[in-house]
Amino acid sequence: ELKVEQNPLFLSMQEGKNYTIYCNYSTTSDRLYWYRQDPGKSLESLFVLLSNGAVKQEGRLMASLDTKARLSTLHITAAVHDLSATYFCAVDGSNFGNEKLTFGTGTRLTIIP
Amino acid sequence: GAVVSQHPSRVICKSGTSVKIECRSLDFQATTMFWYRQFPKQSLMLMATSNEGSKATYEQGVEKDKFLINHASLTLSTLTVTSAHPEDSSFYICSAMRGWNTEAFFGQGTRLTVV
Repeated sequence: ELKVEQNPLFLSMQEGKNYTIYCNYSTTSDRLYWYRQDPGKSLESLFVLLSNGAVKQEGRLMASLDTKARLSTLHITAAVHDLSATYFCAVDGSNFGNEKLTFGTGTRLTIIP
Repeated sequence: GAVVSQHPSRVICKSGTSVKIECRSLDFQATTMFWYRQFPKQSLMLMATSNEGSKATYEQGVEKDKFLINHASLTLSTLTVTSAHPEDSSFYICSAMRGWNTEAFFGQGTRLTVV
């Protein structure tokens, strides 16, 4: 059974600081996704990482994937209040013949002015 | 980009009644759709996988007679919560995929409250 863990679960940080959210998964997968969720809303796709060593950046967010370590990171640079949200990583089972996404526990990020 | 529309966005119903939630892919044909449930402050839990023209595949622990899923066309899947009870109150989210090994796109979600 594929398991996906994120840490930290909660993160409170000051504006202007840098931080990293970690996503570990239990079995081989080459496809990892990062999503943002605002309160009461659905998921917004941030990044799709499709291969080992993939790195993608959008604004103050950068995601990377190490399939050998089964680890993805979401790095936040010079945080601003607008980035406050819950962030989820998700891994699919395409290596095992199914397309189901297994989501991480989520990281609730609060940016303090 | 691919758009998935979910309707309604909010619904309140009385205990014992049934509620239908629709998930439509607006600009692509979705071979596979997924239904998730999310409790407050928790992650998304997959309920079932829906393929057009075939029976849905339910995850372990999900009552298929209570959560009826129909994928009648390549652009529409519906989730019907039958004989709803307060414990069914939750945020339900659908997603749709164009095909194998493609990205899933998410609907806006439906907040169900059973009173």
